[in-house]
Amino acid sequence: NAGVTQTPKFQVLKTGQSMTLQCAQDMNHEYMSWYRQDPGMGLRLIHYSVGAGITDQGEVPNGYNVSRSTTEDFPLRLLSAAPSQTSVYFCASSSSDRIAEAFFGQGTRLTVV
Amino acid sequence: SQKIEQNSEALNIQEGKTATLTCNYTNYSPAYLQWYRQDPGRGPVFLLLIRENEKEKRKERLKVTFDTTLKQSLFHITASQPADSATYLCALRGGGNKLTFGTGTQLKVEL
Repeated sequence: NAGVTQTPKFQVLKTGQSMTLQCAQDMNHEYMSWYRQDPGMGLRLIHYSVGAGITDQGEVPNGYNVSRSTTEDFPLRLLSAAPSQTSVYFCASSSSDRIAEAFFGQGTRLTVV
Repeated sequence: SQKIEQNSEALNIQEGKTATLTCNYTNYSPAYLQWYRQDPGRGPVFLLLIRENEKEKRKERLKVTFDTTLKQSLFHITASQPADSATYLCALRGGGNKLTFGTGTQLKVEL
């Protein structure tokens, strides 16, 4: 039972490069989210999706794009990486039940130089 | 604006004692609150959920209380062990069913 799978685990980018962080879940969850975690800031919501074809912005969406073409996948795109995007990124999924717990991936540690 | 606050200072306690962590929130009217555990280098893992009509919830050595008047939840670990050392996060669902987390409190249980 894989749960939520994120790739890659580590990545170093140069300023201005673009890349896609991958997230896949095998639990047939409707909700998927991307968070970034920085020291002292906690988990901050970047984008989220309530189902295939539907996405919305979270607290810190600038510089990131998402799409949700299937229930299973929710990739996060960095359009032009900046040092301020150096962070640990977590993908999470949950069912649409409001009390549902969130399941998290192992995280992607991204460094932008 | 909506805020979830947890004590950012690490909590150090001795093995066998009870650890108590606090979560305060503003501008939410939550029907329930969740607690997660996060170990270094890993994603958060769900521990407990408490509903607004439940004053207290227990699971093994964990106990959570929820006071909607004070806008506060307390998370207790009794008979704490070094293996309980981790960061503990509280979380609330707001508008649009978005799950928002507090900054977390790091707990260190010493022998």
